[in-house]
Amino acid sequence: AQTVTQSQPEMSVQEAETVTLSCTYDTSESDYYLFWYKQPPSRQMILVIRQEAYKQQNATENRFSVNFQKAAKSFSLKISDSQLGDAAMYFCAYRRLGNTPLVFGKGTRLSVIA
Amino acid sequence: DTGVSQDPRHKITKRGQNVTFRCDPISEHNRLYWYRQTLGQGPEFLTYFQNEAQLEKSRLLSDRFSAERPKGSFSTLEIQRTEQGDSAMYLCASSFLDGQGKDTDTQYFGPGTRLTVL
Repeated sequence: AQTVTQSQPEMSVQEAETVTLSCTYDTSESDYYLFWYKQPPSRQMILVIRQEAYKQQNATENRFSVNFQKAAKSFSLKISDSQLGDAAMYFCAYRRLGNTPLVFGKGTRLSVIA
Repeated sequence: DTGVSQDPRHKITKRGQNVTFRCDPISEHNRLYWYRQTLGQGPEFLTYFQNEAQLEKSRLLSDRFSAERPKGSFSTLEIQRTEQGDSAMYLCASSFLDGQGKDTDTQYFGPGTRLTVL
């Protein structure tokens, strides 16, 4: 079974600084998708960024980028120029091909300090 | 595109009562997922539908849980004889899979229904 591990229950970052959230996963599949979702205190899950495993290029979305290391099964999220609105729970998620259910990690709570 | 909506947003019930939640997906989305999230944990998959067909159920979905999507649009999740361990946030998500099985789409989540069983 696929598993997703987020080893940092909590992280904090100063406003305007950069922070990296870690995620590792376990799968025997060669093609799959990885996601980072953000869940603010209002609790609606929002997609931050996605990565297709067959693409070697790391995905980027404005201030958010990933470091995808397929061989190491590692998928970290880097947030640059952190803003107060970035404070939230961040979940790493995996799914197989075919629009199948997501497997989530336990999350990392990110605090942004003004 | 009004997003995924869920109703009610909060539900408090006594142990042993039945509860039903509703999810309205994004209108053109043919896949609908239910997840459960307990405090301090990531969401866990419960079940999902392709149109009106229920394709998979997690082992977390005990016999007291039933989900339907009768016309391939909205879905309901019913919990019978609720237990305190059922207290959680129930999340619904939807996505679109095209006729060629093209796998490009992302799951979009609703705001969730928070269930408290006293």
